[in-house]
Amino acid sequence: NAGVTQTPKFQVLKTGQSMTLQCAQDMNHNSMYWYRQDPGMGLRLIYYSASEGTTDKGEVPNGYNVSRLNKREFSLRLESAAPSQTSVYFCASSEKREISEAFFGQGTRLTVV
Amino acid sequence: EDKVVQSPLSLVVHEGDTVTLNCSYEVTNFRSLLWYKQEKKAPTFLFMLTSSGIEKKSGRLSSILDKKELSSILNITATQTGDSAIYLCAVTGGTSYGKLTFGQGTILTVHP
Repeated sequence: NAGVTQTPKFQVLKTGQSMTLQCAQDMNHNSMYWYRQDPGMGLRLIYYSASEGTTDKGEVPNGYNVSRLNKREFSLRLESAAPSQTSVYFCASSEKREISEAFFGQGTRLTVV
Repeated sequence: EDKVVQSPLSLVVHEGDTVTLNCSYEVTNFRSLLWYKQEKKAPTFLFMLTSSGIEKKSGRLSSILDKKELSSILNITATQTGDSAIYLCAVTGGTSYGKLTFGQGTILTVHP
């Protein structure tokens, strides 16, 4: 009954360090998403993948890269972390159909110092 | 660019009060409007409203979609402290299936 699993749950980075946030879903969903959440700004889409093998930029893609490794996994990479990337990151997945709700992971709290 | 605006941004009430949260949107080729509740961690799904389902109800929570006014309300009656959370509104539309555009959220605090 895992749903969407994100790792790690917490991370502290120094400015300029790199890291990859991992996400996996076991619901056989085609579409996967990465959002960031900052106080007073709701959730903003960073990148999404409508299906295996495709990725597209969302609202705030700068400073990030993604990889849709297979249908289950969608990773988010910060190549050179900046304090502005301090945020809570959520991975989500949904069915690729016209109307579908998204299911969210538990989030990764990232602090860049 | 799709846009979702929620109001109020925060709300403090006492147990037993009724609250109404608002969500307005601008989206090309509207498909659906979704409400999520977020407590300490991941947002959890509450309702989805579409052109064919403009009113939903579950217990003390209910939601209505007004396609003419491009808006939705979420009502919570007889509030309880467990209703304290961030309530997020999101819309889907355009050509990207499932891609959600979120509002800023409403922080609801229910005091005993």
